[in-house]
Amino acid sequence: GGIITQTPKFLIGQEGQKLTLKCQQNFNHDTMYWYRQDSGKGLRLIYYSITENDLQKGDLSEGYDASREKKSSFSLTVTSAQKNEMAVFLCASSRDINQDTQYFGPGTRLLVL
Amino acid sequence: QQKVQQSPESLSVPEGGMASLNCTSSDRNFQYFWWYRQHSGEGPKALMSIFSDGDKKEGRFTAHLNKASLHVSLHIRDSQPSDSALYFCAASYNSGGSNAKLTFGKGTKLSVKS
Repeated sequence: GGIITQTPKFLIGQEGQKLTLKCQQNFNHDTMYWYRQDSGKGLRLIYYSITENDLQKGDLSEGYDASREKKSSFSLTVTSAQKNEMAVFLCASSRDINQDTQYFGPGTRLLVL
Repeated sequence: QQKVQQSPESLSVPEGGMASLNCTSSDRNFQYFWWYRQHSGEGPKALMSIFSDGDKKEGRFTAHLNKASLHVSLHIRDSQPSDSALYFCAASYNSGGSNAKLTFGKGTKLSVKS
């Protein structure tokens, strides 16, 4: 078994601020993902990394940067927080990209004032 | 257009009852399907995957896939209050690499009343 840790659990930011969310996994999985969850909209893929040193844009990458520092960690940066933005950011990992089950972390809840 | 559509948006069943959740794809290239469950305050957790036409049963949960109609369903027998959660259907393409990433539906909120 393994676990995915996301930090921080809650993040309150100011409009225009750059905010960084971190994710660590100890599954030894190759592939990691960042999703955004808004109420009533399901999960939307922001960035993913197939292997260490790889970075791929998802459907919602505008306004975000990502970094795969090493195999076990994947960070997401909100480049300029939008006023009144409220969402949950979920990190996930899978053994590889090919039809493999994804394992999710508990999420980081973002509120922008 | 939402490529993976779920119905109903919300569902309430009595404890011990049967819950039936539906998922339809508008993209015939989707070949692999998953059901994920998310309890409040937690991340989603995979319930089961189904890749071939027909039924797949795991305990109280049965998934059914009909690729011709692009329809997949999840049936929960003997529903328990602990089954109350948000259920997501997810799909991916047949090819590997970046085309294998998941597309999620908006979810069905299930409430099991005791």
